[in-house]
Amino acid sequence: GAVVSQHPSWVICKSGTSVKIECRSLDFQATTMFWYRQFPKQSLMLMATSNEGSKATYEQGVEKDKFLINHASLTLSTLTVTSAHPEDSSFYICSAELGRGADGYTFGSGTRLTVV
Amino acid sequence: AQSVSQHNHHVILSEAASLELGCNYSYGGTVNLFWYVQYPGQHLQLLLKYFSGDPLVKGIKGFEAEFIKSKFSFNLRKPSVQWSDTAEYFCAVNFYNTDKLIFGTGTRLQVFP
Repeated sequence: GAVVSQHPSWVICKSGTSVKIECRSLDFQATTMFWYRQFPKQSLMLMATSNEGSKATYEQGVEKDKFLINHASLTLSTLTVTSAHPEDSSFYICSAELGRGADGYTFGSGTRLTVV
Repeated sequence: AQSVSQHNHHVILSEAASLELGCNYSYGGTVNLFWYVQYPGQHLQLLLKYFSGDPLVKGIKGFEAEFIKSKFSFNLRKPSVQWSDTAEYFCAVNFYNTDKLIFGTGTRLQVFP
C-alpha cells in the first residue's frame, strides 16, 4: 500500500535553532501533502497544505515564517521549524492525499519535537 | 466554517459492552468521512471510510459507522468492545470543495477487563 515515511521520529533541539522534518512518499507520487500538529491527548490540527511546486497554504493562525514548508518534488515535503521555542514542542504528522479510489489519505508515523 | 465535533471526549467501558461514538460535521455539501484509531504510542490507523453508496460502512476490527446525511453525523459503533480497543478515536471529514482532511477533537476510549 501507499506508504509515507517521516523522519526523524523524534528530535530534541535547543531554543533558537531550526529543525527540519522530512516526509517522503515511498511508492507513489504525492501531489498534495498535509502537515498536522498534535498536542498531548489532543486532536490533529491542520497546519498547512503543501502542493508540489507551489507555495504551501497555511491555516489561519499558523505562522508561515516560522513553519517553512517546501514541496520541491512529488515524493518529498519538508517542514522546517525555525527559531524553535519550547512552545513549539509537539508531535508533527505529515499526510498525503491518495484520492477517493484508495483510502483517501495516508499518514506518516510522526515526529516528536522537544525544544529545550 | 467547516468543522468536525466529537461530543464524547472520554468513554470508559467494560469489556463486551457496546460502543457508540458520536461525530458531527458542519457542512451541507458532499463530504468524505473517516474514522481513525490511534493506539498509545502509535500512528493513525484507518478504521473505515465513507465516500458514497451504502451509508452503513463496515471497517476493520469489528467497527462500523453509519452516515446519516440529514443529521450531518457519522457515528462509530462496535457491538462488543475488547480491552485491546483502548485507544484514541478520531473522526475526520474531507469537505468536497477542498482536499483538506479536518479532524474532530478525538475520543479517548478506555476498556477495562
